[in-house]
Amino acid sequence: DQQVKQNSPSLSVQEGRISILNCDYTNSMFDYFLWYKKYPAEGPTFLISISSIKDKNEDGRFTVFLNKSAKHLSLHIVPSQPGDSAVYFCAASAKGSQGNLIFGKGTKLSVKP
Amino acid sequence: SQTIHQWPATLVQPVGSPLSLECTVEGTSNPNLYWYRQAAGRGLQLLFYSVGIGQISSEVPQNLSASRPQDRQFILSSKKLLLSDSGFYLCAWSAGGQGIQYFGAGTRLSVL
Repeated sequence: DQQVKQNSPSLSVQEGRISILNCDYTNSMFDYFLWYKKYPAEGPTFLISISSIKDKNEDGRFTVFLNKSAKHLSLHIVPSQPGDSAVYFCAASAKGSQGNLIFGKGTKLSVKP
Repeated sequence: SQTIHQWPATLVQPVGSPLSLECTVEGTSNPNLYWYRQAAGRGLQLLFYSVGIGQISSEVPQNLSASRPQDRQFILSSKKLLLSDSGFYLCAWSAGGQGIQYFGAGTRLSVL
């Protein structure tokens, strides 16, 4: 049973436009959510996170939105740059879980010049 | 600053051979440590985590084991590798609780 779902395996966006990556979760105990970026043959790099007490968190070009009622979060990248091309993973953890992260399968973002 | 080291970067092993992957963290003490595996076309699956020396929790029953002989050292082992053990193995650390996890560069394991 997949608790964190990224239903779009890939996304292609033009440079300068907005990239929107989506993530859905099923476990109502999740209260902390993270986005990671991963290049091939490298470890994931932390991008941005959000606690369930918030509905938005912004860091430069990256904004994460959380809709708790819909159990949905999204990552917005504006403006998108070719260097943003990578696989993006959504992850979630529940309080008391020792911080164990449950990852989605990832979305491969391609930003075309 | 904290750094995480993981080696080797790539490894090709025959079926039935043993495995030992090592991960060390610098610049912090008493970190939570994690081993993940990413199989081809899949997400990251948590294999083991540790909140202290000698304390190992397994998330998925499998052909692998983990040990934490020192505070900042985490080892992933197998006595006999299977073809299904092939994948990309990642070590991560966090400061504890629901802190952000920081990942190593990973080891690409191919079992032939």
